[in-house]
Amino acid sequence: SAVISQKPSRDICQRGTSLTIQCQVDSQVTMMFWYRQQPGQSLTLIATANQGSEATYESGFVIDKFPISRPNLTFSTLTVSNMSPEDSSIYLCSASTGGDYGYTFGSGTRLTVV
Amino acid sequence: KQEVTQIPAALSVPEGENLVLNCSFTDSAIYNLQWFRQDPGKGLTSLLLIQSSQREQTSGRLNASLDKSSGRSTLYIAASQPGDSATYLCAVYSGTYKYIFGTGTRLKVLA
Repeated sequence: SAVISQKPSRDICQRGTSLTIQCQVDSQVTMMFWYRQQPGQSLTLIATANQGSEATYESGFVIDKFPISRPNLTFSTLTVSNMSPEDSSIYLCSASTGGDYGYTFGSGTRLTVV
Repeated sequence: KQEVTQIPAALSVPEGENLVLNCSFTDSAIYNLQWFRQDPGKGLTSLLLIQSSQREQTSGRLNASLDKSSGRSTLYIAASQPGDSATYLCAVYSGTYKYIFGTGTRLKVLA
């Protein structure tokens, strides 16, 4: 299965700034996904990142707040914009070559906004 | 709308015990179910993937079963060790490339 390198692993950011999280996959994958995990909660899907097209956002998430890039089949970025303390979470990227094959996750980015 | 629930929410056991974690889902029309392990503040590590046509999968001390008709999966951990302490998540794939995650079981194995 694919291996995903995610960085940064953690960051402490000032309110009002932006942070870009990167995920690099060691093989070409069809779909990449971005999740948020708030403290003590399970994972919530932010968006599906499609190569060559706009990302598809879930209800409650918007492109202005969470712009996503997917320039090729092995790389994606998520930006958390104009951050507030409520954005403090773990952000995870995930990849799949097709749902039947299961999903692989990156190691996560632990974001704290102060 | 698919909903996934895990029971218990937290579990604390002495080392060496065999234990069972439960995962329930409301819509039996699934393609597969995947069990993950998450260490504090970290990403998810895939443990076992069960296709809808399978009844169980095994990896070392782990065994996962799937009963699609009743909407249940169990993860069996044999001879638990302190290193097994983590949060265990199940996730259900029902198509449209989306995984629906359970609420997780936080496991602590005491030495």
